[in-house]
Amino acid sequence: GESVGLHLPTLSVQEGDNSIINCAYSNSASDYFIWYKQESGKGPQFIIDIRSNMDKRQGQRVTVLLNKTVKHLSLQIAATQPGDSAVYFCAENVPGSYGKLTFGQGTILTVHP
Amino acid sequence: EPEVTQTPSHQVTQMGQEVILRCVPISNHLYFYWYRQILGQKVEFLVSFYNNEISEKSEIFDDQFSVERPDGSNFTLKIRSTKLEDSAMYFCASRGLSYQETQYFGPGTRLLVL
Repeated sequence: GESVGLHLPTLSVQEGDNSIINCAYSNSASDYFIWYKQESGKGPQFIIDIRSNMDKRQGQRVTVLLNKTVKHLSLQIAATQPGDSAVYFCAENVPGSYGKLTFGQGTILTVHP
Repeated sequence: EPEVTQTPSHQVTQMGQEVILRCVPISNHLYFYWYRQILGQKVEFLVSFYNNEISEKSEIFDDQFSVERPDGSNFTLKIRSTKLEDSAMYFCASRGLSYQETQYFGPGTRLLVL
């Protein structure tokens, strides 16, 4: 099966709401995780990353939470804007794999004005 | 801000033809990658490249695929004899020395094999 997966394939929110996108990973050896945003016809755009020695990391309007006990990753977007509408992927990296990223299936986030 | 660039943005080819996809990674990066994304599916790893050799490749990356860094700036993916199922978006990515450094992706090349 997939080593990284997402619980919700689609998420619709109103502008100004907070969004939470979830991701489950199965490889307990993974020690580096990244969230990417992909807009239609474009390449994955880095949002935020987290290493396994942390459980929370904050950026501008985004927060990533890592729960290694249940192998769960989440991306929180505060005050979601229409420009946040995109597909969001989590990706994981296992030590010794030369940086190979394993991506999840993706969640489609739609923000309604 | 430095970015990964890719050419062409779109490529249409006939089955059995050779295609070369080109990438210019970020200049001080040392690791280079190719990924592909079939329409509606997740991004899949193809190959990683460091110090002028392949460091890891996936099952997808069979003998029809090859990579090359012909000069100090370009990184290419060649598909020798394209198949219909090679139709996908192909993304190049690069990063610095540590595997925990961010991988930055290019905008992709959309390959359509007819």
